[in-house]
Amino acid sequence: AIQMTQSPSSLSASVGDRVTITCRASQGVRNGLGWYQHKPGKAPKLLIFAASTLQTGVPSRFSGVGSGTDYTLTISSLQPEDFATYYCLQDYSYQWTFGQGTKVEIK
Amino acid sequence: QVLLQESGPGLVKPSETLSLSCAVSGYSISSGHFWGWIRQPPGKGLEWIGSIYHDGSTYYNPSLRSRVTISRDTTTNRFSLMLFSVTAADTAVYYCARLGDYDRWHFFDYWGQGTLVTVSS
Repeated sequence: AIQMTQSPSSLSASVGDRVTITCRASQGVRNGLGWYQHKPGKAPKLLIFAASTLQTGVPSRFSGVGSGTDYTLTISSLQPEDFATYYCLQDYSYQWTFGQGTKVEIK
Repeated sequence: QVLLQESGPGLVKPSETLSLSCAVSGYSISSGHFWGWIRQPPGKGLEWIGSIYHDGSTYYNPSLRSRVTISRDTTTNRFSLMLFSVTAADTAVYYCARLGDYDRWHFFDYWGQGTLVTVSS
């Protein structure tokens, strides 16, 4: 099974900061990579799919890049509503794996 | 609008079977897509449990495969999870979700609200 290593596990940032989260797959996933935002008591929300495509309705301050084994989520200017936990998810050959999560907290 | 709703016991005894059902409205589960189960233990991250395709094919997390069965009932438009021989480590919020088609891939896009299942005697 493909393992996803996500980093950092947590970070503290201020409103307006640029935030970057990375995921590394144990083998290439051919851009089958998505990013989710998860807030307590709510269902996770799909932000980005296919490594870099913004889901409908997601603000453009979110962006994703990557290929092969390495992928990055960037929030260009952190907003108050962005404080949450973020997960990557890979889809390879009908097996799905989440990263361990990155908790974005207020500095 | 696709809606999903989990149901089932909130408390299961150790060594017994956890059984959950997911009712889907707004879309027929036999018409298309994968449908899946995900869980989140308290204080931990998300874990994919398994998925069932609209044709009934099933796919499981290798770490849980020996204890999991996912099935569907097309007459009631529901799919179900059975997790056998549970322990305290299976205590979690369990979500059902749809895997939408995105280019060549599939990502969870519609989710249930989640249901907490506690394993305790």
